[in-house]
Amino acid sequence: QKEVEQNSGPLSVPEGAIASLNCTYSDRVSQSFFWYRQYSGKSPELIMSIYSNGDKEDGRFTAQLNKASQYVSLLIRDSQPSDSATYLCAGPHRGGYNKLIFGAGTRLAVHP
Amino acid sequence: EAGVTQSPTHLIKTRGQQATLRCSPISGHTSVYWYQQALGLGLQFLLWYDEGEERNRGNFPPRFSGRQFPNYSSELNVNALELEDSALYLCASSLIGGGDEKLFFGSGTQLSVL
Repeated sequence: QKEVEQNSGPLSVPEGAIASLNCTYSDRVSQSFFWYRQYSGKSPELIMSIYSNGDKEDGRFTAQLNKASQYVSLLIRDSQPSDSATYLCAGPHRGGYNKLIFGAGTRLAVHP
Repeated sequence: EAGVTQSPTHLIKTRGQQATLRCSPISGHTSVYWYQQALGLGLQFLLWYDEGEERNRGNFPPRFSGRQFPNYSSELNVNALELEDSALYLCASSLIGGGDEKLFFGSGTQLSVL
């Protein structure tokens, strides 16, 4: 089992809809998770971090963490074509090896 | 404030040669991470440096090595290049260094091995 798993997509949503991106992880002791956005040909940029169970909202983005289910999600409300990118979920390596492990990423396409 | 800077932007080498990639972290950041992103694949962890020491490395052969200088900048060296080393190499920096903090990425070095 991969440490951080994501559906590669593509996830296609119409403009204005809610995009839901999901991520599961294998390490039960992981405490923090991050969502990065990567436009084609560009480097990843951090958009959300979440450290505790529940929801964290930042503008149109909401990150959700469920430690019991080992599940992290990112909701993008009012999706825009400019949100079209690959979204990477990342969490710390199990056993405290102090490195971020990235999922393979989910490609999101928002169409007008 | 300047972000993470990497050089060169592009690097073309032939099999068997050595490549040197450079990274300057955000001012005040002491940790530097190196990741490899092959075409269509996710980010694979390569190396982590903090306070001048190598703290952790990923599942890569020893011909991938590097160092961190007193000013916290870092260098990644890849010896005996192979075709499959062709990838985007991303450097990231963070303030603390431990896996739970936020990483800020540079624009990357695109390495092509012919």
